[in-house]
Amino acid sequence: DADVTQTPRNRITKTGKRIMLECSQTKGHDRMYWYRQDPGLGLQLIYYSFDVKDINKGEISDGYSVSRQAQAKFSLSLESAIPNQTALYFCATSGGGDEQFFGPGTRLTVL
Amino acid sequence: AQSVTQLDSHVSVSEGTPVLLRCNYSSSYSPSLFWYVQHPNKGLQLLLKYTSAATLVKGINGFEAEFKKSETSFHLTKPSAHMSDAAEYFCVVSGLSWGKLQFGAGTQVVVTP
Repeated sequence: DADVTQTPRNRITKTGKRIMLECSQTKGHDRMYWYRQDPGLGLQLIYYSFDVKDINKGEISDGYSVSRQAQAKFSLSLESAIPNQTALYFCATSGGGDEQFFGPGTRLTVL
Repeated sequence: AQSVTQLDSHVSVSEGTPVLLRCNYSSSYSPSLFWYVQHPNKGLQLLLKYTSAATLVKGINGFEAEFKKSETSFHLTKPSAHMSDAAEYFCVVSGLSWGKLQFGAGTQVVVTP
């Protein structure tokens, strides 16, 4: 969905490096989410935020942190990247209903 | 708690033949159910959703799904596959609290000429 953008789209980094993935949305939604996708596992929730002052851990938050800089921006950080964090990362938004709108994804490779 | 099981990890069909993707769910209440599609190198796009209205739900691109409470199933079908249907499909259930989504593992669809 063009209303949800993620940068970068692809990133290769080395073990131990700090990485930030950024997400921006123009849908005016309050709720934003970060997921990771691994083959055969579907999507797993890392963190979610209901508004700028509300941040919550998801199923697999260890090794990750987030920042909600504004209603429209939600960034995901890997403080010290490790190879098993190699995955496809998705940002999503919702307006309070069940339906979520996904960005195009960021493919991260940690060597 | 809720869970989703997609019964096939891969489905291969010929162009012009029907497509059936199977999904069973587990939920302690009446859930909302979704099918999302992911084309290569793309994000997830909503195909259709069930939210306790009609049990037969029509979505985009000719897809439809039927909610069967007695069977706890939400299978996705399309009468005639097109080459552009080659993608990965996710069955998703919405959780009790704040719309938390539980994803199935995905079904990869291959369409052959």
